[in-house]
Amino acid sequence: AQSVTQPDIHITVSEGASLELRCNYSYGATPYLFWYVQSPGQGLQLLLKYFSGDTLVQGIKGFEAEFKRSQSSFNLRKPSVHWSDAAEYFCAVGAITNAGKSTFGDGTTLTVKP
Amino acid sequence: ETGVTQSPTHLIKTRGQQVTLRCSSQSGHNTVSWYQQALGQGPQFIFQYYREEENGRGNFPPRFSGLQFPNYSSELNVNALELDDSALYLCATYQAGTPYEQYFGPGTRLTVT
Repeated sequence: AQSVTQPDIHITVSEGASLELRCNYSYGATPYLFWYVQSPGQGLQLLLKYFSGDTLVQGIKGFEAEFKRSQSSFNLRKPSVHWSDAAEYFCAVGAITNAGKSTFGDGTTLTVKP
Repeated sequence: ETGVTQSPTHLIKTRGQQVTLRCSSQSGHNTVSWYQQALGQGPQFIFQYYREEENGRGNFPPRFSGLQFPNYSSELNVNALELDDSALYLCATYQAGTPYEQYFGPGTRLTVT
């Protein structure tokens, strides 16, 4: 069975500081990995995705993520956080043949201090 | 902003009632997935429809059912509502066979009292 673990429920960073959100997954085949962001009362917006190729992927809003197969991890990073980045972040894993059946982690809430 | 819309935005129902939620897919997307997101949790896959047929179901009971129409819009029906059904219900659409990116709607917030 596939699963996603986001070990950090809540992270607080100062504006301008760097950010790393952790994601570990369990999947029996080649995974298709995603990071989404959700603002309060909103749906999910895709930040970036990975299914093959370069293990460092770039996304929108200055985010990037690195796939490490040996560690079953797909951590999200941003070099300098902006106040508008405060939101909830979800990591998800899906099948390459059908990402529409994704399994999500429980999310990490990001608070940005001025 | 995606082209996926959901209605209604909010809904309050009483335990035991039935509810229908609606989703209009982004143009050209023939596959729709429904997710339940309880407070403080990530979305959980309920089921998926492809070309009007159910194409996989998560760990949800049969009182959760769905429909997909020829224009690819979709409905989620929940019978015999329980308090634990209170959640944000999200639909996500994509075009099967293309590089796999789901587009999520804004969700319907269902409260069961």
